[in-house]
Amino acid sequence: SYELTQPPSVSVSPGQTATITCSGDKLGDKYTCWYQQKPGQSPVLVIYQESKRPSGIPERFSGSYSGNTATLTISGTQAMDEADYYCQAWDSSTVVFGGGTKLTVL
Amino acid sequence: QITLRESGPTLVKPTQTLTLTCTFSGFSLSTSGVGVGWIRQPPGKALEWLALIYWDDNKRYSPSLKSRLTVTKDTSKNQVVLTMTNMDPVDTATYYCAHTSPRAPLDYWGQGTLVTVSS
Repeated sequence: SYELTQPPSVSVSPGQTATITCSGDKLGDKYTCWYQQKPGQSPVLVIYQESKRPSGIPERFSGSYSGNTATLTISGTQAMDEADYYCQAWDSSTVVFGGGTKLTVL
Repeated sequence: QITLRESGPTLVKPTQTLTLTCTFSGFSLSTSGVGVGWIRQPPGKALEWLALIYWDDNKRYSPSLKSRLTVTKDTSKNQVVLTMTNMDPVDTATYYCAHTSPRAPLDYWGQGTLVTVSS
C-alpha cells in the first residue's frame, strides 16, 4: 500500500519559518493536501492541490513540491500555529494520510 | 454554509457491527463531483481514511478495511451511513465524516464522534 512519510516532530521559534515535509513514491504525480489539527478539534484543510489555500487560511501557510517530497511552509510562525499537521494524497482513487507531524512553537 | 455531524453509538462490544450516520447541510450529494468521506483517529494517533461515496454512488474503500466497510447514501435525507463489521478494541477511535468536491478534498469536517469498543 502507498505510504506518506512525515517527521514526527518539528520545532520552531515564534516569528521563524517552519517547514514540514511529506515524502512518498512518485508524489509529484499526485495532488498533495495539508491539514492542521489542534488538540480536541477536527482537522482543517490548510493547503490543497499542493499550493492553494482555502478561504480564511492565512497567507503565511504555503505549499510546494520538489522531487518526491511535498513541503508545508509556515512563514512568521505564531503560537496559534502549534498543532499536528497531516499531509494527504490520492493513490488509485483512494485517500492516504501521512503519519502526522507535531509542530511545537517555542 | 456546509456543516456535517456524525452520530451513532459511543460504545460497541467486540464482534458487533458499528453503524454511523453523517447528516449534512449546505450541499447536495446529487451535485456532480461532490462526495462524503469517512476518516477515523485512534486516541493519540494519526488520521486513517476509511471510505468515500460520491454523488454518482461511486464508492471507494481503504484497501486494508474494505472487507469490513460499507458506505451508503440517502440523498433525500442528506445522510451518509457507514457500517463496519466485526468491531475490535483496536477500532476505538474518533470517527469523522467530511465533504469533498472537485475543488478541494475533505474541506469541511464534522466534529467527530468517539466510538469505544469494549466488552
